Amino acid sequence: NAGVTQTPKFQVLKTGQSMTLQCAQDMNHNSMYWYRQDPGMGLRLIYYSASEGTTDKGEVPNGYNVSRLNKREFSLRLESAAPSQTSVYFCASRGRGGNTIYFGEGSWLTVV
Amino acid sequence: ELKVEQNPLFLSMQEGKNYTIYCNYSTTSDRLYWYRQDPGKSLESLFVLLSNGAVKQEGRLMASLDTKARLSTLHITAAVHDLSATYFCAVDAMYSGGGADGLTFGKGTHLIIQP
Repeated sequence: NAGVTQTPKFQVLKTGQSMTLQCAQDMNHNSMYWYRQDPGMGLRLIYYSASEGTTDKGEVPNGYNVSRLNKREFSLRLESAAPSQTSVYFCASRGRGGNTIYFGEGSWLTVV
Repeated sequence: ELKVEQNPLFLSMQEGKNYTIYCNYSTTSDRLYWYRQDPGKSLESLFVLLSNGAVKQEGRLMASLDTKARLSTLHITAAVHDLSATYFCAVDAMYSGGGADGLTFGKGTHLIIQP
């Protein structure tokens, strides 16, 4: 049982490059989330998707786009990466009304 | 806007001692989470507190929730080195009203337990 799978695990980008972080869950969950974690800041919600076909902004959406491709997959895109987007990114999911939120292993992104 | 404050943010303590981490939040919510994170790792779920007065215990850790005071505590009893980690509390926006979803996290408490 894979749970929540994120790719890539590590990535170095140059300023202005674009990339997509992929996330997939195999638990048939409705809700999926993207967070970023910066030192001393905790985790902050970038975007979430309460169901297939819907997405909503979280606390720090600027500079990001998301796609809920199907129920399993929720991708995060950086169109023009900036050094301020250097962070650790976590994808998460939960079932309808679920008490448990499952996190992926994280993606370490450095923008130089 | 939901805000979550943890204190202390850094804590160095000796093995065998007791201590409490506090988590205050700004709007009503009936669901609060505690997570542990080791360096370079993902988040490990410790407790989910579902109602006012909820208390959960696992080993040397005990968490409680007072929704009226908007306060949760994580108490460490007779600390051991293996409990060294960063601990986060998080409040569930889905249960705060307003129609949002997702967790709002505190900044974390970096706990070091020394022999």
